[in-house]
Amino acid sequence: KQEVTQIPAALSVPEGENLVLNCSFTDSAIYNLQWFRQDPGKGLTSLLLIQSSQREQTSGRLNASLDKSSGRSTLYIAASQPGDSATYLCAVRHGDYGGSQGNLIFGKGTKLSVKP
Amino acid sequence: NAGVTQTPKFQVLKTGQSMTLQCAQDMNHEYMSWYRQDPGMGLRLIHYSVGAGITDQGEVPNGYNVSRSTTEDFPLRLLSAAPSQTSVYFCASRERNGVSVNTGELFFGEGSRLTVL
Repeated sequence: KQEVTQIPAALSVPEGENLVLNCSFTDSAIYNLQWFRQDPGKGLTSLLLIQSSQREQTSGRLNASLDKSSGRSTLYIAASQPGDSATYLCAVRHGDYGGSQGNLIFGKGTKLSVKP
Repeated sequence: NAGVTQTPKFQVLKTGQSMTLQCAQDMNHEYMSWYRQDPGMGLRLIHYSVGAGITDQGEVPNGYNVSRSTTEDFPLRLLSAAPSQTSVYFCASRERNGVSVNTGELFFGEGSRLTVL
């Protein structure tokens, strides 16, 4: 059974710092991996989607990497800002096999606080 | 473009009552799903659908029913509400099979916050 783990559960950094959020998964047979942001009381907003054949994706100050063989992904946030404060979740999707039809399996998230 | 729309945003029920959480998407997505989010448990899949007329169970389906009569709508029914169903419910959708680099992205609604007394 696929398990997704995110460490640390919470992180507090001063504004301007570069930081890395970690995501690990137990089964490397994934179709893609998606990083989300969730603000308090809100839904999930997709940040980056990495297909299994890709090594990384970039969007603005965000860079996500994927190492399937080791079961790891990182989300790098450059020059952090107070507005980056939120919970960040990663989720893996398996291929369309069996009955799962490629459902996402989520980690429990890292709560990030960026202090001015 | 509204994306994924969930109603109601907030609901309070008494134990034993039934209700339906509505979800609609306007992106012509074949795949739709319902998750619940609980503190310390993360997001768990309740039911999903890969197209009109096709539904299947996820990780925590007990106490919930779904149907998919149209591509756009995927309602979640609580048959007899229990306090254990107090949670935040999210509906999400995507194209069924993405073959280009940036497809397959899952889009979420804003959530429905349910309290069962």
